[in-house]
Amino acid sequence: DSGVTQTPKHLITATGQRVTLRCSPRSGDLSVYWYQQSLDQGLQFLIQYYNGEERAKGNILERFSAQQFPDLHSELNLSSLELGDSALYFCASNSASVSNEQFFGPGTRLTVL
Amino acid sequence: GENVEQHPSTLSVQEGDSAVIKCTYSDSASNYFPWYKQELGKRPQLIIDIRSNVGEKKDQRIAVTLNKTAKHFSLHITETQPEDSAVYFCAATNNNDMRFGAGTRLTVKP
Repeated sequence: DSGVTQTPKHLITATGQRVTLRCSPRSGDLSVYWYQQSLDQGLQFLIQYYNGEERAKGNILERFSAQQFPDLHSELNLSSLELGDSALYFCASNSASVSNEQFFGPGTRLTVL
Repeated sequence: GENVEQHPSTLSVQEGDSAVIKCTYSDSASNYFPWYKQELGKRPQLIIDIRSNVGEKKDQRIAVTLNKTAKHFSLHITETQPEDSAVYFCAATNNNDMRFGAGTRLTVKP
């Protein structure tokens, strides 16, 4: 167990809908990262937050947005869902002042029908 | 931004043989290079990492080498075992966004 939690574990929805994925980082970690992993694909970096502020942006679509709250949990919002958005979404956290190692949550499997 | 390329995409070895996976990166500012192992449907887990001020690091059967000049780093697994079968990802970061290679599916045949 990495100490990073993600909810829900599975999510099934229809095209055009909007969903919210939630991530709670390890205790004390200020950074949260979001990744998308499509079937048999690599990990695509989406976005990073550090202590509530956006720190880095990767290949995140305009239909997707994220935020990090004062208690450091983060949410990834996906809207106008398309079939191609079906994927595993991981969040990871770290405390860069200690180590660059990122600790991954168990992931949320999103299926868009 | 950083771009990481990883080869090969698939690798099949006999149990007991060695396996080598290679990655190149583009951003000379990258200073941390982790390797993650991911089993089917599970989260990626760190198996070894190396910083830019170190050329080689070893942990039992696993070693990583880094060539900063050529901007490439490699993972070496010796005496492979069936439980080493998984997808392996390399990554590079300059302390902000971490970019991953496309992954190598390693199969170790008993």
